[in-house]
Amino acid sequence: DVKVTQSSRYLVKRTGEKVFLECVQDMDHENMFWYRQDPGLGLRLIYFSYDVKMKEKGDIPEGYSVSREKKERFSLILESASTNQTSMYLCASSLFGKNEQFFGPGTRLTVL
Amino acid sequence: GQNIDQPTEMTATEGAIVQINCTYQTSGFNGLFWYQQHAGEAPTFLSYNVLDGLEEKGRFSSFLSRSKGYSYLLLKELQMKDSASYLCAVRENSGYSTLTFGKGTMLLVSP
Repeated sequence: DVKVTQSSRYLVKRTGEKVFLECVQDMDHENMFWYRQDPGLGLRLIYFSYDVKMKEKGDIPEGYSVSREKKERFSLILESASTNQTSMYLCASSLFGKNEQFFGPGTRLTVL
Repeated sequence: GQNIDQPTEMTATEGAIVQINCTYQTSGFNGLFWYQQHAGEAPTFLSYNVLDGLEEKGRFSSFLSRSKGYSYLLLKELQMKDSASYLCAVRENSGYSTLTFGKGTMLLVSP
């Protein structure tokens, strides 16, 4: 059974803080993804990675960066959190060449 | 870029059949996915279509017409637990396995 875990279910931060969201998968998947989900906007891709130390921008990368130092871990970094980054953040992973993405439970981030 | 449209909300009665439509416009198509997401939970994979036609999986079926840029998810014998958001997602014909999601259709099943 594929398991994707995220470090926190709920997080509250202040404007200007540096925020780290961690995602770990246990099935040796090459591909990992970070999305944010907002009412009326759906799931939008922030960044993805197809291998260790590799990263690609998604549709909305502004204000975010990522890190993939190990295959199982993909971190999303908000260098200076802003209120418009209040959202649900979902991590996903998939095996190279396979169709299905497996999602983590999500982190609901509130920036005050 | 891609444009994916699906209805915002639908309601149906327990035991009934409901069809959730999804239309898309894409520069290169390499598969269409349906995910189910219950409130407060992660999306879970339901189906994948890359060729035209109907794929059946128990009470759920998914249909694709590539020439029309159209898909639907058919749910039969609706149960209360089917109340959820249903997400349509398209994969472009690129080297990466990225998906573009529609905004989701919230389905409410009533007794």
